[in-house]
Amino acid sequence: TVVTQEPSLSVSPGGTVILTCGLSSGSVSTSWYASWYQQTPGRPPRTLIYNTNFRSSGVPDRFTGSILGDKAALTITGAQAEDECDYYCALYMGSGTWKFGGGTKVTVL
Amino acid sequence: QLQLQESGSGVVQPSQTLSLTCTVSGDSESVPTDSWSWLRQPPGRGLEWIGYIFHSGISGSTHYNPSLAGRVRILLDRSKKQFSLNLTSVTAADTAVYYCARIQPRQYFDYWGQGALVTVS
Repeated sequence: TVVTQEPSLSVSPGGTVILTCGLSSGSVSTSWYASWYQQTPGRPPRTLIYNTNFRSSGVPDRFTGSILGDKAALTITGAQAEDECDYYCALYMGSGTWKFGGGTKVTVL
Repeated sequence: QLQLQESGSGVVQPSQTLSLTCTVSGDSESVPTDSWSWLRQPPGRGLEWIGYIFHSGISGSTHYNPSLAGRVRILLDRSKKQFSLNLTSVTAADTAVYYCARIQPRQYFDYWGQGALVTVS
């Protein structure tokens, strides 16, 4: 099973962009404990969202996690220049294992 | 506030063993009871979960990425507030930035180390 993400997305400043996190086989539900991480070059990941839709401490409320259809989703509303970076989702696969998606590079232009 | 710091060899020869240690400071009293993980990121690529150790029994219990099982071992030293990673028989494909992180009960990684680049060459 592969965790899928869009390789790249672009958004205008102030606009909205939706990143998704799916499975090559099956649907993502809250049972997969989807989490989202933001990473800028040369820095460790920063936790944005956990357990599908809980915002980590200090994360701006323009970042929202949800389930959209059969995928987990991260919505950035009112995108800012500083949001231009890489985003990774992770799914808990059960039995004490996790898988990450390949990451989405978000461009704000 | 919890801090995690990776340390270890920056260059490892092919077929040898990669060894890294993660030292936990700050609210380090949680080391004996929390769950701790290793992850890695090859240059220019995405994140990969390696394995984790959680408090159970004398030496803790572990789970590993099936793609690495057989080569990887994670150990916990409660007295030193450290946990370590050993990866045997390394190849160039194991070149990556290695991160240690804490796992929360809701199955996510909340605190991360700064990362340590390990080059197999």
